[in-house]
Amino acid sequence: EDKVVQSPLSLVVHEGDTVTLNCSYEVTNFRSLLWYKQEKKAPTFLFMLTSSGIEKKSGRLSSILDKKELFSILNITATQTGDSAVYLCAVAKGDMRFGAGTRLTVKP
Amino acid sequence: GAGVSQTPSNKVTEKGKYVELRCDPISGHTALYWYRQSLGQGPEFLIYFQGTGAADDSGLPNDRFFAVRPEGSVSTLKIQRTERGDSAVYLCASGGGPRGEQFFGPGTRLTVL
Repeated sequence: EDKVVQSPLSLVVHEGDTVTLNCSYEVTNFRSLLWYKQEKKAPTFLFMLTSSGIEKKSGRLSSILDKKELFSILNITATQTGDSAVYLCAVAKGDMRFGAGTRLTVKP
Repeated sequence: GAGVSQTPSNKVTEKGKYVELRCDPISGHTALYWYRQSLGQGPEFLIYFQGTGAADDSGLPNDRFFAVRPEGSVSTLKIQRTERGDSAVYLCASGGGPRGEQFFGPGTRLTVL
């Protein structure tokens, strides 16, 4: 059975802290791994990873994939209150399987 | 359009009624996905269209759920004899690339009383 597991489920930090969010997966027919940020209704796309070891970076966010160990991490440096959201990891395999998400709260 | 749109944004219905939820994907996107999301959980896959045909409907929970995409663009998710457990946010996403990148609509919040 396909599984996408995110940890931690929730995290509370203060502005300026660095956080690492984890995503492990067991799926057949893996195509890519995606990270989304969900603040209200619609998840918004952050990164798509297809190759191991290549870091994707966008501002204070970065992500990397390890296809051998079947996991990905999402790093956020110098966190801001606007980073507060649920971060979703998903594996694309034709359809898409999502993890339950990590709820990040950044306090002033 | 510029993004994926969904209507209605909110739908309140009574148990046993029939509902239709509409999704307008990004123009030109061949792939269209339906998910539902309950509070505190990630989106749960329902069905995936490639063009007009359902490429994978393995996520539909039972035969009360049905979706169509007759012209390969707009899709409608249909739920018959709604139950209280159907209450959730129904998300639609469209994509066009081979690697699975998807763009989500704002969702329809369905409440079954």
